[in-house]
Amino acid sequence: AQSVSQHNHHVILSEAASLELGCNYSYGGTVNLFWYVQYPGQHLQLLLKYFSGDPLVKGIKGFEAEFIKSKFSFNLRKPSVQWSDTAEYFCAVSNTNAGKSTFGDGTTLTVKP
Amino acid sequence: GAVVSQHPSRVICKSGTSVKIECRSLDFQATTMFWYRQFPKKSLMLMATSNEGSKATYEQGVEKDKFLINHASLTLSTLTVTSAHPEDSSFYICSASQNTGELFFGEGSRLTVL
Repeated sequence: AQSVSQHNHHVILSEAASLELGCNYSYGGTVNLFWYVQYPGQHLQLLLKYFSGDPLVKGIKGFEAEFIKSKFSFNLRKPSVQWSDTAEYFCAVSNTNAGKSTFGDGTTLTVKP
Repeated sequence: GAVVSQHPSRVICKSGTSVKIECRSLDFQATTMFWYRQFPKKSLMLMATSNEGSKATYEQGVEKDKFLINHASLTLSTLTVTSAHPEDSSFYICSASQNTGELFFGEGSRLTVL
């Protein structure tokens, strides 16, 4: 069975600080990897995804993530966070294209202005 | 991107009654939809996979007779919480996939059972 671990439960940063949120998964086969974001009062939406190819993927709003197969990791990064990045971030893993995904517990990011 | 809409966004009901939540894909056909339950400060717990034209596939520990799922068309799946009790109070979220692996989420429905 798949599992996803997000190491940081709550991260507090000041604006302009750099961000890295950890995500590790357990599954030995081919995986699709996702980061979803849930802004306050809004529904979950896709931030970025990795299916194959370049392991460094870029998403919306300046976010990027790097797939490191040997470490089973897909960490999310942003060089300089903004107050508007305050949200809940979820890492997810799927081994099919049918959409059934396993989610991590989420990381709450609070950016202080 | 694709749009998924849930209704109602909030519902309050008395214990023992049933509540139906709708999930619609507005601009695409979804053969598969997913229903989740989200607890405060917790991740999404997958409850079941809703398959158009066939029975839903429930995750272990989810009571299929309590959480009835119907996926009657390519754009609509419904979740009915039967004989609701206060412990069923939660935030229920649906999502749909276009077979690209990416999920499109509804706004969620907050159920409060008194």
